[in-house]
Amino acid sequence: ETGVTQSPTHLIKTRGQQVTLRCSSQSGHNTVSWYQQALGQGPQFIFQYYREEENGRGNFPPRFSGLQFPNYSSELNVNALELDDSALYLCASSLTGGDTQYFGPGTRLTVL
Amino acid sequence: GIQVEQSPPDLILQEGANSTLRCNFSDSVNNLQWFHQNPWGQLINLFYIPSGTKQNGRLSATTVATERYSLLYISSSQTTDSGVYFCAVGSNDYKLSFGAGTTVTVRA
Repeated sequence: ETGVTQSPTHLIKTRGQQVTLRCSSQSGHNTVSWYQQALGQGPQFIFQYYREEENGRGNFPPRFSGLQFPNYSSELNVNALELDDSALYLCASSLTGGDTQYFGPGTRLTVL
Repeated sequence: GIQVEQSPPDLILQEGANSTLRCNFSDSVNNLQWFHQNPWGQLINLFYIPSGTKQNGRLSATTVATERYSLLYISSSQTTDSGVYFCAVGSNDYKLSFGAGTTVTVRA
């Protein structure tokens, strides 16, 4: 059984650019959630996808958007990057939205 | 949203010591998980425990849902237990709300 994977591991961008982060869910899981973790803080919920539809969104602006594909993998897109977007981005998958969530290793984004 | 408070914020232990981490939450939940975040940032599942008691080796957890708190016990601590421990809770909207974490340092 393959766990949750994320790519890339690290990424450096400049202010104003756009970025796409990718996540492959654990085998059999149809729900993917994305979280942002700033340095020294707990993760903050961005949004969740269930069977290719957005199933809930946290307090993030519309320049944070996502997709889920038929194989349940997912992308997080961030437009017009700001310095405060520098963070660890975590993806989690689960069988349903409300049960155990399994996290990937994260993508560390640095915005200069 | 649900507020989650973890205590203590920092904990320094001598190898072999026992400890208790606490998580208080502000509303009823149907999902509660404890995680250990390793130095590389990966969140490792420890327990899915919206209620009751579970044990896994030297770790155990208890959630008293009616009183809105959960406890994580670490017994006979080892240096590999060092890291940040997070409590995360969810209700009907399924998103997880995390506490600020407890940073545990175990000294040899």
